[in-house]
Amino acid sequence: QSALTQPRSVSGSPGQSVTISCTGTSSDVGYYNYVSWYQHHPGKAPKLLIYDVSKRPSEVPGRFSGSKSGNTASLTISGLQAEDEADYYCCSYAGSDIHYVFGTGTKVTVL
Amino acid sequence: EVQVVESGGGLVQPGGSLRLSCEASGFTFSSHWMSWVRQAPGKGLEWVANINQDGREKYSVDSVKGRFTISRDNARNSLYLQMDSLRAEDTAVFYCARYLLGQYTMDVWGQGTTVTVSS
Repeated sequence: QSALTQPRSVSGSPGQSVTISCTGTSSDVGYYNYVSWYQHHPGKAPKLLIYDVSKRPSEVPGRFSGSKSGNTASLTISGLQAEDEADYYCCSYAGSDIHYVFGTGTKVTVL
Repeated sequence: EVQVVESGGGLVQPGGSLRLSCEASGFTFSSHWMSWVRQAPGKGLEWVANINQDGREKYSVDSVKGRFTISRDNARNSLYLQMDSLRAEDTAVFYCARYLLGQYTMDVWGQGTTVTVSS
C-alpha cells in the first residue's frame, strides 16, 4: 500500500490561506469518509486537526477546515499564523486489510 | 489531563528485541482502541498496529507481521509493543495513540520514544 500523496511544501504570508492536497485511490480516500489531518511540530506529539474529512475537534481553531472530492482530500488553513509552521499529515482508513495509510507529509512555511 | 506517555526505546542490535510501553491517564483506557504509529528519520508517519478494547482484535502492517506484537493491560492502563527480529529499517520514533470512541481517528498522541537498530 503506497502512502497518500501530498505536496512536499507549501508557504504563505501571515493572514493568507493555504491548501494542502492529499491524493489517494478509490480504495482509501475515495471510498471512505475517514480522512483525518494532523499537525506535527518536530519533537512533539502530533495534533489532530480534522477527522471524518471535515469534522473539527472543539479545541481546534475554525481557520482549519477539511474537504474531499473524489480521491483527493484537502486541508485549508485560513488566516495563516506563525505558529502554523509545522509538518502536516493526512491519514485515511483503507479497509480491513490495509487499515490505515498516511500521507507523505507537507511542510508549511509562514513567510 | 488526557495523555499517553511512551517509554522503552533505545539502541538495539539487528536481530534483537525491545518492548515499548505506553501509559495512559486521564481517560477510561479500557474503552478505547489503541495504536502504535512510527516515523523513520526523515520520513513520514506510518501506522504500525492497533488493538481493540479487550485485546482480542489486533491488526498490523505487513512489514511487521510475525515480528511485532501489540498487547494491552487494562488494569495497568498500559499498551505495549513487543518488537522482535529488529531490522535497521525499524529505526524510528514510535508513537502511542488513542482512538476517538467509535471512530476511525487517532485523537490523542504521545511525544514518542526513539528506537535505533544498529550494530
